[in-house]
Amino acid sequence: EIVLTQSPATLSLSPGERATLSCRASQTVTNYLAWYQQKPGQAPRLLIYDASNRATGIPARFSGSGSGTDFTLTISSLEAEDFAVYYCQQRINWPPTFGQGTRLEIK
Amino acid sequence: EVQLVESGGGLVKPGGSLRISCAASGFTFTNAWMNWVRQAPGKGLEWVGRIKSKTNDGTTEYAAPVKGRFAISRDDSSNTVYLQMNSLKTEDTAVYYCARQLGYYYYYMDVWGKGTTVTVSS
Repeated sequence: EIVLTQSPATLSLSPGERATLSCRASQTVTNYLAWYQQKPGQAPRLLIYDASNRATGIPARFSGSGSGTDFTLTISSLEAEDFAVYYCQQRINWPPTFGQGTRLEIK
Repeated sequence: EVQLVESGGGLVKPGGSLRISCAASGFTFTNAWMNWVRQAPGKGLEWVGRIKSKTNDGTTEYAAPVKGRFAISRDDSSNTVYLQMNSLKTEDTAVYYCARQLGYYYYYMDVWGKGTTVTVSS
């Protein structure tokens, strides 16, 4: 089973700042990695799939990059609604697994 | 509007059974591959299992912690997917989400329900 390790566990930033979230895989996932956003009391929302493709309706300030074992989710300029928990997920190896999450909080 | 709505959660004793449902609307359910994902209190996301569309033989697969105890089924006539949970353990306590697979991108999930809470406790 592939283990995904996200860092940092918590990121404290202000609106308008740039956020950089990391996801590292225990073995290569090529580009088969997704990112989800989850707000308190809500279901996860797919943001990025196959490392860099934005899902339908996702704003352009969200971007994904990386391949192999190291991936990054970047939010170019934080808006109030972006403060949430973010999860990465791999699908190259069964079972699909998620990272433990990064909490993005308002500084 | 594309929507998934789970129901049927509740409190059950260890060793008991429960069936939860997920009603789909706003898309062609017969073509959809459907997943169940759970989230224990204060924890991250855990994939539980998946059912393919019947045109792709409708087969199911399960994560190791639930294999042999949980079963996923679907009723395309009512656009509903089910999760039958047997021999429940306290560690099965979680919010259970159903989620639609993103087209042919196996295991990515682009539409999620709001979840239903299952509590296993004596």
